[in-house]
Amino acid sequence: ETGVTQSPTHLIKTRGQQVTLRCSSQSGHNTVSWYQQALGQGPQFIFQYYREEENGRGNFPPRFSGLQFPNYSSELNVNALELDDSALYLCASSLAVGAGEQFFGPGTRLTVL
Amino acid sequence: AQSVSQHNHHVILSEAASLELGCNYSYGGTVNLFWYVQYPGQHLQLLLKYFSGDPLVKGIKGFEAEFIKSKFSFNLRKPSVQWSDTAEYFCAVNGFSGGGADGLTFGKGTHLIIQP
Repeated sequence: ETGVTQSPTHLIKTRGQQVTLRCSSQSGHNTVSWYQQALGQGPQFIFQYYREEENGRGNFPPRFSGLQFPNYSSELNVNALELDDSALYLCASSLAVGAGEQFFGPGTRLTVL
Repeated sequence: AQSVSQHNHHVILSEAASLELGCNYSYGGTVNLFWYVQYPGQHLQLLLKYFSGDPLVKGIKGFEAEFIKSKFSFNLRKPSVQWSDTAEYFCAVNGFSGGGADGLTFGKGTHLIIQP
């Protein structure tokens, strides 16, 4: 069984640029969630996708957007990058939408200069 | 809105000592509760979870947690820690709002160091 994978591992961008992060769900999982983990903090919920639609969203501005594809893989897009966007971005997949267990990937470390 | 508070940000113990990490949550309805662990250089892994039933749940590697509804608490325990338990521990809650996914709400984490 393949776990959740994310790419790239690390990324460096400058303020104002745009970035796309990618995630492949664990086999059989149809729901994907994205989290932002700042240094020394717990992960914060960005949004969740189910059946290619955004199913829920945390307290993040619209410049954070996402996509889910028919194979359940997902992208997180961030426009107009700010210095505070520097963080570890985590993708998590789950068997179904709702409040069940989520399986996390290794994350993408984004640095904004 | 849901929130999670972890009482200890840094804990240092000697091997074989007993461990208890505190976690309190704030949410008005039904919740699922989780403890995740992040070992150095590894991704978040589930230690244990509570959905319903017996409030004392057992997880991997000898960990257990007790859900006390009246105290909105879900403390993590282990009777005898090992050096390999050195990691970051996160308490998380996921509530049922009925209006779409709220995602997991995490505490700030507890950095546990076990000294040999």
